[in-house]
Amino acid sequence: DGGITQSPKYLFRKEGQNVTLSCEQNLNHDAMYWYRQDPGQGLRLIYYSQIVNDFQKGDIAEGYSVSREKKESFPLTVTSAQKNPTAFYLCASSIGGGAGQETQYFGPGTRLLVL
Amino acid sequence: RKEVEQDPGPFNVPEGATVAFNCTYSNSASQSFFWYRQDCRKEPKLLMSVYSSGNEDGRFTAQLNRASQYISLLIRDSKLSDSATYLCVAQPTGTASKLTFGTGTRLQVTL
Repeated sequence: DGGITQSPKYLFRKEGQNVTLSCEQNLNHDAMYWYRQDPGQGLRLIYYSQIVNDFQKGDIAEGYSVSREKKESFPLTVTSAQKNPTAFYLCASSIGGGAGQETQYFGPGTRLLVL
Repeated sequence: RKEVEQDPGPFNVPEGATVAFNCTYSNSASQSFFWYRQDCRKEPKLLMSVYSSGNEDGRFTAQLNRASQYISLLIRDSKLSDSATYLCVAQPTGTASKLTFGTGTRLQVTL
């Protein structure tokens, strides 16, 4: 089955700890995205990547880092610099190219909680 | 002002009713629009794209009014399974697929 997988489903972070959220897709999509969703707010873009070995900051990149070494994978690290990391993290992908309307498909999400 | 604004609801409607949601966007350069559905504690899933001429998919009809910068979603013959949060999404021109999401409108269909 083609799709996007995220792991883990739930993640607990201690103060001062870096944690990494996994996102994998087998849709052969060039573009991948990370969003965070907080109650009462829309999805906010953290980072996105349009092609392997390239990525750009989104609207709320501070305290996060990403890598895109493989087309299929776009892991997100929540660093200790992110002071309010508790949220629902969603990874998405799209065909890419950016030339027109592009549908983004989402993974099941990871809930990050701070202990 | 938020780039994409929606009434958060909730809209409580009986089964079989027709319900409509509106969404306004502030960036006049937005070129593409979508409605996503999100169930509680799940990921958003594409419901339908919104085309300039309006489009229909079964019980769902989407309309775009560029002059007034709003998008609408009409659901006819509501089912219990339609209960969810509906997210309005805009894609501005030249933003390399960056999407702007509204906060969502919650729909609760009851017996």
